[in-house]
Amino acid sequence: DTVLTQSPALAVSPGERVTISCRASESVSTLMHWYQQKPGQQPKLLIYLASHLESGVPARFSGSGSGTDFTLTIDPVEADDTATYYCQQSWNDPPTFGGGTKLELK
Amino acid sequence: QVQLKESGPGLVQPSETLSLTCTVSGFSLTSYGVNWVRQPPGKGLEWMGTIWNDGSTDYNSALKSRLSISRDTSKSQVFLKMNSLQTEDTAIYLCARVGESTWYFDFWGPGTMVTVSS
Repeated sequence: DTVLTQSPALAVSPGERVTISCRASESVSTLMHWYQQKPGQQPKLLIYLASHLESGVPARFSGSGSGTDFTLTIDPVEADDTATYYCQQSWNDPPTFGGGTKLELK
Repeated sequence: QVQLKESGPGLVQPSETLSLTCTVSGFSLTSYGVNWVRQPPGKGLEWMGTIWNDGSTDYNSALKSRLSISRDTSKSQVFLKMNSLQTEDTAIYLCARVGESTWYFDFWGPGTMVTVSS
């Protein structure tokens, strides 16, 4: 299975720019997707196909990357962005998720 | 609008079978696939399986021997059955719709907590 590796946690101040990385153990082309999960809630799709912003998601969120290295950027970060962010690949079967990056606001 | 909602027993005895239902609205099961994903308390997400719009299924190989996903299109329901439950199967179980272009999850239910304990 394709393993997706994310940094466990990040802490940033409101108004800053933050990048959350996801590295795949093998190429996933651009079939990488990003989700936001707040405590006690279900995940919410933010970015699909590496860089496509899901409808209704603020333009502060953006995604980039291809192959094995991907990035989710939030610029500027707001207090409401406190959450865990997961990447997920769908190029290889089975679809797999990263372990999540917990974003905390200072 | 698109909605999904999971339902089922909150507590299951070890070695018994889990049965969950995902009831959907706002879309047709003959147009979109539905997945089951689970999340142990405080941990990450694990894809369990998919029932596609044509009724075919895919399963996580780690669960395949214990897992079955089916549907009733007339009732807009998707079913999960998993046998031989153990304590490590304790998790929040979520259903999610497959996105239009590839295997991502664009709408999710709120999830249902299942505890495996005697």
